Parts: sequence; structure tokens; C-alpha cells
Amino acid sequence: DQQVKQNSPSLSVQEGRISILNCDYTNSMFDYFLWYKKYPAEGPTFLISISSIKDKNEDGRFTVFLNKSAKHLSLHIVPSQPGDSAVYFCAAVPRLDSNYQLIWGAGTKLIIKP
Amino acid sequence: DTGVSQDPRHKITKRGQNVTFRCDPISEHNRLYWYRQTLGQGPEFLTYFQNEAQLEKSRLLSDRFSAERPKGSFSTLEIQRTEQGDSAMYLCASSTTGLAGNEQFFGPGTRLTVL
Repeated sequence: DQQVKQNSPSLSVQEGRISILNCDYTNSMFDYFLWYKKYPAEGPTFLISISSIKDKNEDGRFTVFLNKSAKHLSLHIVPSQPGDSAVYFCAAVPRLDSNYQLIWGAGTKLIIKP
Repeated sequence: DTGVSQDPRHKITKRGQNVTFRCDPISEHNRLYWYRQTLGQGPEFLTYFQNEAQLEKSRLLSDRFSAERPKGSFSTLEIQRTEQGDSAMYLCASSTTGLAGNEQFFGPGTRLTVL
């Protein structure tokens, strides 16, 4: 069973516009959510996170929104830049007192068009 | 370089051979994780160490897989009698304890190809 779902395998956005990446989850016990970015031939790089007690976290061009009732989170990147082209993974932490094992989505490939 | 390093970056082996991968975490991180990633999927958790203690193993980790972290620093992941289904990217990550430990720092991965 896939507890974290990223239903869009790819997304193409014009440079300068807003990129919105979506993630849905099924487990209401998830305590913490993270977004990672991955370039080819590199490991994932942490981007931004959000606790389940919040509904928004912002860091520069990146904002993550959490809608707990809908079990949905999204990552907004504005303005989008060519260097943002990468695969973006949504990940969740089941419990804060656990081993912090991350449950991952399948990823969304973001392509920023010049 | 203070990031997570993994060696080798690529490994090609024949079915039935044994392989061993190494991970060097960020020096002050006491938590170390191994994940496996196949094409088009997110990483799947394999196992987790806190210092030298292996605290959790996924059911994905068959008895052909063994991981060690003998002194609480670097870790090795060994696969015995490799099968073609073992072909994947093997990722290592490390983190600190506490809330900040949610942010796991990943190495570049070891890509294994079993022929």
C-alpha cells in the first residue's frame, strides 16, 4: 500500500511562473512532512519541511502548505528558475518518537522551460 | 568535504556474487539509514542505526542482506548471492537525534547492476 502518493510523474512550468507540486497521504498519524529535491546521479537534498501542527511553512522561494483534513500537501516554488528542474520527492515521518524512518512518494519530475 | 559519502558509486556484478558497499556519514550524526531506490520510485527504507546499534530492519531486507556499523561511524551493506532483482540505487543517509533528525542528509548513492 502506498501511504504517500505523488500522482503527477512530471510537470512542466515556464521560467518565472509558479510551480505547484502535490502530494497526498493516507496515514493520519504522520507527524512531519519533508520535500526533497534530486538531481540525476546525486542523492536527494532536503528542501523544506512542515510539522503536522502547522499549515504553512515558507523559506525563500519555497512554501509548503499542509491541509490535514484533505491529507494533502503542496510545494509552491515562485518564481521558478531553470535550476529548479529536478525530481521532487514528498516524504512523511510516521511518528516523532519513532526512528524517523521516512515514507516516500514516487517523485515528480519538474521541468522549467526558459 | 563534510557531506555523506558512499563507495563505490557504481558496481556491476554477476548474479550469485557478493557485494559490499560503504557509507561514511556526516561525522557528528549518530543516526544512519540505508534506502533502496528503483527507477520511477521513491527510496524504500532498508535499515537504521543509532550509533552502532541496528534498531530496525525492513521486511524488504532479506537474510541475504546484512548491514553493520561497528564503531558507530561508517557503515557497510553487504548483499550475498546477488540476484537481478537487487539491481537498484542504494542510498545512505545520516541525521542527528531530536526533531532536527527529521532532516536526513543523503549520499550520492551506489548504483548496483546485477547481470
